[in-house]
Amino acid sequence: DTGVSQNPRHKITKRGQNVTFRCDPISEHNRLYWYRQTLGQGPEFLTYFQNEAQLEKSRLLSDRFSAERPKGSFSTLEIQRTEQGDSAMYLCASSLDLAGGYNEQFFGPGTRLTVL
Amino acid sequence: DAKTTQPPSMDCAEGRAANLPCNHSTISGNEYVYWYRQIHSQGPQYIIHGLKNNETNEMASLIITEDRKSSTLILPHATLRDTAVYYCIVPRSNFGNEKLTFGTGTRLTIIP
Repeated sequence: DTGVSQNPRHKITKRGQNVTFRCDPISEHNRLYWYRQTLGQGPEFLTYFQNEAQLEKSRLLSDRFSAERPKGSFSTLEIQRTEQGDSAMYLCASSLDLAGGYNEQFFGPGTRLTVL
Repeated sequence: DAKTTQPPSMDCAEGRAANLPCNHSTISGNEYVYWYRQIHSQGPQYIIHGLKNNETNEMASLIITEDRKSSTLILPHATLRDTAVYYCIVPRSNFGNEKLTFGTGTRLTIIP
């Protein structure tokens, strides 16, 4: 257990439905990241936050995806109008950003989304 | 990010040293090499990182060639719990404190 939790662990939904995932980072960590991982591939970066500010979004994050981190604590990732291609593992990670050094990312167990 | 090349799979006998190679011939002078691993059904886990000197921690050793174009991750006494996919990453920034770009990694299987 890394201290990063994600809920739900599994989500099955029908195409066209909206889904929301939650990530609770390690409490003192100011950076939070979202990645997506499909079968047989490594995780792909989606977006990251520094406190409550969303600093970078991947082109993979289409308009149907939105992420928030209110008050710089937990984060939510919402997918609207889900498509079968959205089926994947969604991973959250957090780190404590200290200037002048590398800050390892601690990953949660992921939320596995299946779109039928 | 600098491109990395890793063998898709490797086997290692339990108790032996596992040596995982990574080629990063386009690495630039201030880019670090990072290693993460992902055990089945878990999120990735940080292992080690280095710039030019060899590094060692409680999990592994990292040997970086003098020209920095390749590196080797060494698990000195592999156990069954070391079976995982190992990713060699060279992020764009000095410390990689933004995104990590994972490739497909090396699937290491420890044989009893």
